[in-house]
Amino acid sequence: AQSVTQPDIHITVSEGASLELRCNYSYGATPYLFWYVQSPGQGLQLLLKYFSGDTLVQGIKGFEAEFKRSQSSFNLRKPSVHWSDAAEYFCAVGAGTGGFKTIFGAGTRLFVKA
Amino acid sequence: DAEITQSPRHKITETGRQVTLACHQTWNHNNMFWYRQDLGHGLRLIHYSYGVHDTNKGEVSDGYSVSRSNTEDLPLTLESAASSQTSVYFCASSDSGASGYTFGSGTRLTVV
Repeated sequence: AQSVTQPDIHITVSEGASLELRCNYSYGATPYLFWYVQSPGQGLQLLLKYFSGDTLVQGIKGFEAEFKRSQSSFNLRKPSVHWSDAAEYFCAVGAGTGGFKTIFGAGTRLFVKA
Repeated sequence: DAEITQSPRHKITETGRQVTLACHQTWNHNNMFWYRQDLGHGLRLIHYSYGVHDTNKGEVSDGYSVSRSNTEDLPLTLESAASSQTSVYFCASSDSGASGYTFGSGTRLTVV
């Protein structure tokens, strides 16, 4: 069955430091992969997505993610974190026919220290 | 601008009552989804629809129903609310599997 694992429940980084959030997935075929961000009291916003092509994808707000098929990973990175990046981040895989049914990881909460 | 709106934002109801949560999108997306978000469980799929008159059960569909009479709306009904259905509910829409979802702002439902 398809699944998404985010090993870190929460991460704390200092403002200006680099960030990497881990995501591993289980899916039989080439997956649709996504990262979403959720600020408190808000819905989820799509940061970036991967379907095919270049395995390093760029997203909004300065985020990027790299698809590594051999490791079944899709880790999210940002070179320099801003205090406004504090939020919860969800990795997701599009499953089912056409990839419409999205399965979400449990999320990683990011705290940013001044 | 196109948007997806959920109403109400907050709702308190009593056990056993029927409750309907509204979801309206102006993206003209064929695909709509309902998720619930609970601590420790992330987002879990309740029901989804690929178009008018199409509805499908997700992984946690017991006690919930949906109907799709037009492209814009997918209301979620709790037939007889239970305390276990206290949660935050999110509606989402999409035009393709590769495009990702657009989410509403959520409805926080408390069943007392």
